Parts: sequence; structure tokens; C-alpha cells
Amino acid sequence: GQQVMQIPQYQHVQEGEDFTTYCNSSTTLSNIQWYKQRPGGHPVFLIQLVKSGEVKKQKRLTFQFGEAKKNSSLHITATQTTDVGTYFCSHAGNNRKLIWGLGTSLAVNP
Amino acid sequence: GAVVSQHPSRVICKSGTSVKIECRSLDFQATTMFWYRQFPKQSLMLMATSNEGSKATYEQGVEKDKFLINHASLTLSTLTVTSAHPEDSSFYICSASQGAEEAFFGQGTRLTVV
Repeated sequence: GQQVMQIPQYQHVQEGEDFTTYCNSSTTLSNIQWYKQRPGGHPVFLIQLVKSGEVKKQKRLTFQFGEAKKNSSLHITATQTTDVGTYFCSHAGNNRKLIWGLGTSLAVNP
Repeated sequence: GAVVSQHPSRVICKSGTSVKIECRSLDFQATTMFWYRQFPKQSLMLMATSNEGSKATYEQGVEKDKFLINHASLTLSTLTVTSAHPEDSSFYICSASQGAEEAFFGQGTRLTVV
């Protein structure tokens, strides 16, 4: 299937610093989704990108889909302790199965 | 957004017993639900696709006789871990979608087999 590589695996930042996680595929993706999972919780949908070069913003979060639709990024400006969790990218493969990246765990030091 | 309810949230069982986990879509009909397993600090591993009215489709390496899935209605799928052993201890999560790509997840079930 179409695997997605996600980097970095872990990231520690000081509160107020920016944070970025990247999702890369060797093949063109029809869509990319981003989820956030808080410690002990379940994944929660953040956003879906479908268009080449698409950029969407949610407050301090900026999501991008590459021009070739092979990579995506999630950027958080001025992190807060509430941003702690694991961020997953995924895309819908056949039969609506989601193919998941390994996730980036974000720790924020107050 | 849509709501998917999973029960129980935590369960502790003795080795050799079976445990049933329920996943319900509360405000929409889900012809397809997905069951995942997640180990600590790891990504979600798809176990099987649950199809309403037909047999589940299992991923490679997942024992269908060990993890029984039943999707008897458009709002309910169950996962039964049979003859559980300590190595089955994990976080199990179900998800469903309304036909669009977005997936809604249940709260997850933390299973501990002692």
C-alpha cells in the first residue's frame, strides 16, 4: 500500500517555540488527513487536505499539502502546553482504510 | 461531528477468558467500521475492517479466530478477544466514517489481561 513516512518521531520544545511535523509519501496521495491524540485519549480529526498546494489554518496550526501531493506538513506557532500529544498524518486508501504515519509525539516544557 | 461510542473504556480480565468490546455509531449509520490496536507510544495498527451484514476483513497477521468481529447492525460492531493472554493487553480503538474520508474514533478500550 501507499506508506507514509512521518518525521520527527519525537519533539521537545519550550513553550512559545514553533513546531513542525512532516509527512512524506513516495507516491501521489489523493488526500491527507491530520489527527491529534492526547495522552491516554483517542485520535481526533483535525483537518483534511485534498488540493495540490493547499494551505489551511486553524488558529495557531497551519497545514500544507505539497504541490506534487506527496508530502504534507503541520506547523504549530508558539506552542502551548495544551498542544501536547501525538500528531498523526494519514490518507484514505482503498475501501476507506486509513493508512497511518507513525506519528510525532510533541512534548512542551512550560 | 459524528459520535462513536466504545465500551468498556477499561477492562481487566483473567488469562483464558474472553472479552467483548462494543463500538456504536450514535448519530449515523456506519456500514464499515475499523478496529485498531495501539501499543504504547506507537501508531495505530489496523486489525480488521468490519462490514455490516458480512464477514470482517482481517489484516495480514491478525488471527480471525482470536479476534472475533461481528457487525450485526448499521450502528454496532463488536470485537471479542477470545481466550485472552497477557500479550493481548493493549489499547483497542474502533472508528467509523459517514462516507466522507474523515474518521471518527471511539474512546478506546484499555485491555489488561492478568
